[in-house]
Amino acid sequence: QQQVKQSPQSLIVQKGGIPIINCAYENTAFDYFPWYQQFPGKGPALLIAIRPDVSEKKEGRFTISFNKSAKQFSLHIMDSQPGDSATYFCAALTQGGSEKLVFGKGTKLTVNP
Amino acid sequence: DTGVSQNPRHKITKRGQNVTFRCDPISEHNRLYWYRQTLGQGPEFLTYFQNEAQLEKSRLLSDRFSAERPKGSFSTLEIQRTEQGDSAMYLCASSLNGGKEKLFFGSGTQLSVL
Repeated sequence: QQQVKQSPQSLIVQKGGIPIINCAYENTAFDYFPWYQQFPGKGPALLIAIRPDVSEKKEGRFTISFNKSAKQFSLHIMDSQPGDSATYFCAALTQGGSEKLVFGKGTKLTVNP
Repeated sequence: DTGVSQNPRHKITKRGQNVTFRCDPISEHNRLYWYRQTLGQGPEFLTYFQNEAQLEKSRLLSDRFSAERPKGSFSTLEIQRTEQGDSAMYLCASSLNGGKEKLFFGSGTQLSVL
């Protein structure tokens, strides 16, 4: 049972483009939504995160948009660079109770020069 | 390098053998997590330690799997009687003040069961 659905599976953009990765969740108990970035041969690294009481959060070139009623959130990468080429995972957790972080299946992003 | 360290980086074993992985968390991080990642999938939670206490285990952690964290420092994950389905990347993560909201992952141990 996949609790966080992520799309697309892969994405190719040109340098300077704005890739958008989408995620949807079912469990309304989720109350924290991080995004992780993973380069080949490395573990995931926390990129940015949002709580459901805000609709948008920006950190540098990375922006999360959050739609609580639709139970959807997305990652936008402004002015994408070849160095952003990586796999991106959305995730969700409940701040109380379980320590489990539930990940989406990931999006492999390629930014061409 | 003061990040999470995992050893070995790669392990090839034959079906039925036992394997053990080690994780050294970031110094002073009292929380330690094990996740498993298969090709094309996101990491899946296996287990969680706070200091030396194993406080949560996933149903994915069958009785062939055992994890320990003696003295609340490094941790080991052992898989007994390995099966081909155990082939995966085993990731360790640690955290401190951020708790589960801010995990620091190691580079993982890639297990291949032949």
